[in-house]
Amino acid sequence: DAGVTQSPTHLIKTRGQQVTLRCSPKSGHDTVSWYQQALGQGPQFIFQYYEEEERQRGNFPDRFSGHQFPNYSSELNVNALLLGDSALYLCASSSPTGLPSTDTQYFGPGTRLTVL
Amino acid sequence: SQQGEEDPQALSIQEGENATMNCSYKTSINNLQWYRQNSGRGLVHLILIRSNEREKHSGRLRVTLDTSKKSSSLLITASRAADTASYFCATDAIENAGNMLTFGGGTRLMVKP
Repeated sequence: DAGVTQSPTHLIKTRGQQVTLRCSPKSGHDTVSWYQQALGQGPQFIFQYYEEEERQRGNFPDRFSGHQFPNYSSELNVNALLLGDSALYLCASSSPTGLPSTDTQYFGPGTRLTVL
Repeated sequence: SQQGEEDPQALSIQEGENATMNCSYKTSINNLQWYRQNSGRGLVHLILIRSNEREKHSGRLRVTLDTSKKSSSLLITASRAADTASYFCATDAIENAGNMLTFGGGTRLMVKP
C-alpha cells in the first residue's frame, strides 16, 4: 500500500520563475492538503482540495495555486518566486469524514524548494 | 500564523529517560494531533486525541489534553536514540470546519546514547 508520494524531492529555482510540485495521495484517500514549512518552523497550511475543488485556503497570496485531478493527485503551483518561498513543501492526504473533526492526515516526504 | 506553541523549544536527555513536551493553543478544537519529523523530512502521525478525551496511550507515548487550559502534553517514556526528532502538535479548530491543521513551532528532542 503506497503512502503519499511527492515529486520532485529537491528543486532549485531563481527569483521570478514558476514552479510546479506534484503529489499522489495515499491509496483510498481523496482529500489533499498542502503545507509550507520554513526552516526551523512548523508547517503552515496553504490549501486543501477535495472533489477537484479548493475547499479551504490559508493565508497565502494568489501566487500559490493548485489543482486536483480526477485520480485525486494534486499539483501546487507557485508563480513569481520570491526568496522567501524557499521551504519544504509538504503534501498530506486524508479521507473525508463528517464534521466536526479532521481525519488523520498522512504526510509525504516533501519537496525542498530553494529559490536563489 | 501558528496557533500552537510547544514548550520547550529544545530538549536534550539521556537514553532511558522520559521526555515531556507541552503544547498550548488558542481556540476551541475538535482534536489535537502529535507528529514527529526527522531531519526536515515528512511528518509521521503519532497520536490523535479528541476534545472529549483527557488521556490517550500508544506504546511508549502518553498524551493528555486539558481543554479548559487549552493545553496538551506528550510524554515519551524510556526514550531511545531513535526518538531524536522534532515533535509538533497540530490542532483541528472548530472554526475551520475540519479542513486544516494548525501546527506549533515544534520541540527539538535529542536523545543521547
